[in-house]
Amino acid sequence: GQNIDQPTEMTATEGAIVQINCTYQTSGFNGLFWYQQHAGEAPTFLSYNVLDGLEEKGRFSSFLSRSKGYSYLLLKELQMKDSASYLCAVNDYKLSFGAGTTVTVRA
Amino acid sequence: DTGVSQNPRHKITKRGQNVTFRCDPISEHNRLYWYRQTLGQGPEFLTYFQNEAQLEKSRLLSDRFSAERPKGSFSTLEIQRTEQGDSAMYLCASSSAPVRKETQYFGPGTRLLVL
Repeated sequence: GQNIDQPTEMTATEGAIVQINCTYQTSGFNGLFWYQQHAGEAPTFLSYNVLDGLEEKGRFSSFLSRSKGYSYLLLKELQMKDSASYLCAVNDYKLSFGAGTTVTVRA
Repeated sequence: DTGVSQNPRHKITKRGQNVTFRCDPISEHNRLYWYRQTLGQGPEFLTYFQNEAQLEKSRLLSDRFSAERPKGSFSTLEIQRTEQGDSAMYLCASSSAPVRKETQYFGPGTRLLVL
């Protein structure tokens, strides 16, 4: 079976940093995605980690440790528009998603 | 390249009616996926196609659900005898790279409400 856990909610202040953790136990693994989803909209791709380590892309970074079944998404210099749900998804040719972490950015 | 498109964007129907959704993937993407998402949850895999072949169906996909991709381009998802529990966002995604490197790109979704 697939088990993917991430916190339900996080709140942070504009300009701050937030780290969203994701742990997984899955029967197959080709890589781990992070998607951003605003309310009522489709998920949009943020990052994809296949190998261990940190991938940096502008204000967003994602880290993967395959031996620990662990990933995190780091959002820096938070902006109001970053308020959204962030979905962790394991790629086993089909995607298995966590329930999502709702991030609220306050002024 | 206009991305993945889905139609309709919204559908309201009465219980017992049949509905059909369409997905047009990014051109030349050979893999197409259907997911279902309910409020407060992540998307759940329903089925996927490689070209015109349907390669896997989730146990979530009851006999009332059928999906096709007749020419390996667009796909349709039909729900027969809809039930209130079918109310959800139905998402389509497409990809083209080898599985290990692939990124799935999502369409805007079709939001279904069964009354």
